[in-house]
Amino acid sequence: DAGVTQSPTHLIKTRGQQVTLRCSPKSGHDTVSWYQQALGQGPQFIFQYYEEEERQRGNFPDRFSGHQFPNYSSELNVNALLLGDSALYLCASSLQGITYEQYFGPGTRLTVT
Amino acid sequence: GENVEQHPSTLSVQEGDSAVIKCTYSDSASNYFPWYKQELGKGPQLIIDIRSNVGEKKDQRIAVTLNKTAKHFSLHITETQPEDSAVYFCAASSPNTGNQFYFGTGTSLTVIP
Repeated sequence: DAGVTQSPTHLIKTRGQQVTLRCSPKSGHDTVSWYQQALGQGPQFIFQYYEEEERQRGNFPDRFSGHQFPNYSSELNVNALLLGDSALYLCASSLQGITYEQYFGPGTRLTVT
Repeated sequence: GENVEQHPSTLSVQEGDSAVIKCTYSDSASNYFPWYKQELGKGPQLIIDIRSNVGEKKDQRIAVTLNKTAKHFSLHITETQPEDSAVYFCAASSPNTGNQFYFGTGTSLTVIP
């Protein structure tokens, strides 16, 4: 049973650039949530996708956007990168209606220089 | 929104001893409290969770207790082993905020052989 997968593992970008991160949910799951984890901090909720729509959003600017595809996989896009966007980006999947139990992927480490 | 505080930030115990990590939350409507273990370079792994209609839950060497009146919950690890060394995060989820997860700042547990 495949768990949550994310790509790429690591990424280095320059300020002002744009980045796309990818996530495939755990087999059987249909809901994807994205989190940002700064060094030494707990994950912070960015947004959640279900049925290809953004269902909930945390306190993140519009530079952060996402998409969910018919196969439930998801992308996180960040525009106009800032140094402060450097973090581990985590994807978590769950079943709608059982959104309590979220399973995380290994994350994508984004460094903005 | 919800505010979750976690203590201590670091914890060292001798192998075989018990470890206790405590969290408090602010939203009295929060009704789901998961605990995650994060090893270096990996995503958070769900290790145990508890819902607000239960006061205690145990799974082998791990237990979680919840005091709704005081709005705090704790993770208890007994007979600690070196492989328990990791960063542990608590989280709380409330229907008032769309059931999104709010995480604590983490506890770095070191089990000394």
